[in-house]
Amino acid sequence: GDSVTQMEGPVTLSEEAFLTINCTYTATGYPSLFWYVQYPGEGLQLLLKATKADDKGSNKGFEATYRKETTSFHLEKGSVQVSDSAVYFCALIDRGSQGNLIFGKGTKLSVKP
Amino acid sequence: NAGVTQTPKFQVLKTGQSMTLQCAQDMNHNSMYWYRQDPGMGLRLIYYSASEGTTDKGEVPNGYNVSRLNKREFSLRLESAAPSQTSVYFCASSEAGTGVAYNEQFFGPGTRLTVL
Repeated sequence: GDSVTQMEGPVTLSEEAFLTINCTYTATGYPSLFWYVQYPGEGLQLLLKATKADDKGSNKGFEATYRKETTSFHLEKGSVQVSDSAVYFCALIDRGSQGNLIFGKGTKLSVKP
Repeated sequence: NAGVTQTPKFQVLKTGQSMTLQCAQDMNHNSMYWYRQDPGMGLRLIYYSASEGTTDKGEVPNGYNVSRLNKREFSLRLESAAPSQTSVYFCASSEAGTGVAYNEQFFGPGTRLTVL
């Protein structure tokens, strides 16, 4: 079945450091890919998305590129802030499904001042 | 515009007790979902409702029932709570529908449930 694998956390960085969170997927079809973010004590919210190969999703300084050849969707940010501390989830929806998301296990990011 | 609301925010139950978690959305979305979040497990789908009047099992439906009361409301019931159901429960909604390439899901703030 479809699945998403994220790098294990937690990840601890200093403010202004470069961030990469790896995400790879397995899908029988041609999925759409997402990054969701969960701030402490809150629900998940969509950070960015990509629906086809070579699409780049971007938001709030975060970017991820849909790489079909490597089945990857790595999240990057050039300079993290303390306010970026959160749990990040990679997810996919397979085309033809009812819109059901399949999530990775999440990566906790802590940014120190 | 409240988005997705959930009640209660916190709940403590004893083993064997029952309760219903409530969820409502005001975005006129067709689809609604219930997830549970456990440490190291990500989010797992319990049940979903693709449209008003329909419900389907997700990855982990055992021990739960759902009701799609109307287009706005989707409740999750634990008939006889067990300690294994201690978790954070999230409701979500999306426009969704057959043939849609992607659907952003909007999440509620969650219910933290402890079963003793």
